[in-house]
Amino acid sequence: GNSVTQMEGPVTLSEEAFLTINCTYTATGYPSLFWYVQYPGEGLQLLLKATKADDKGSNKGFEATYRKETTSFHLEKGSVQVSDSAVYFCALRVDFGNEKLTFGTGTRLTIIP
Amino acid sequence: SQTIHQWPATLVQPVGSPLSLECTVEGTSNPNLYWYRQAAGRGLQLLFYSVGIGQISSEVPQNLSASRPQDRQFILSSKKLLLSDSGFYLCAWSVTLARTGEQYFGPGTRLTVT
Repeated sequence: GNSVTQMEGPVTLSEEAFLTINCTYTATGYPSLFWYVQYPGEGLQLLLKATKADDKGSNKGFEATYRKETTSFHLEKGSVQVSDSAVYFCALRVDFGNEKLTFGTGTRLTIIP
Repeated sequence: SQTIHQWPATLVQPVGSPLSLECTVEGTSNPNLYWYRQAAGRGLQLLFYSVGIGQISSEVPQNLSASRPQDRQFILSSKKLLLSDSGFYLCAWSVTLARTGEQYFGPGTRLTVT
């Protein structure tokens, strides 16, 4: 089956620190990969995506590269801000007509000034 | 552009009472629609999804049901709420048969069953 494994949270960093949130996956087909962000009390927002091996998704200073050889899609940001405090979800969708997303359990990130 | 609405934003209901949550999407046609539940401090659980009017697939057997009376309207219901139904309910939509398949989420409804 399909599954997504994210690093356990919570993660606490100081402002301007470097961020990595690990995400690995197993999939029965060739998946598209996503990172979503959820700010307190809100719904999920699509942060970035990648659809094939070696693609790099990027948005708002965040990046993630689709690594097929290691089945990974780690989220990185060079310098985090307090406003980046949120829960981050990694997700995949297998590209053979399955319309459903498989989500990881989420990683809570807190940035302290 | 497309937008997705959910209401109410917050709801407090007693055990055994009925439930109706509504989700509507604007700016697109024939979307796939989804209901998720997020328990406190936990990940997302897919409850129902729909690929068209009147077509509902259930992911988890429970006392909830879903309906899609119109193309861009998705309703989550219960006849009798349980304490375990408390949570944050999220509606989402996606483009039918899209190559990438990303979903777009509404603002959510926070349900507290007392």
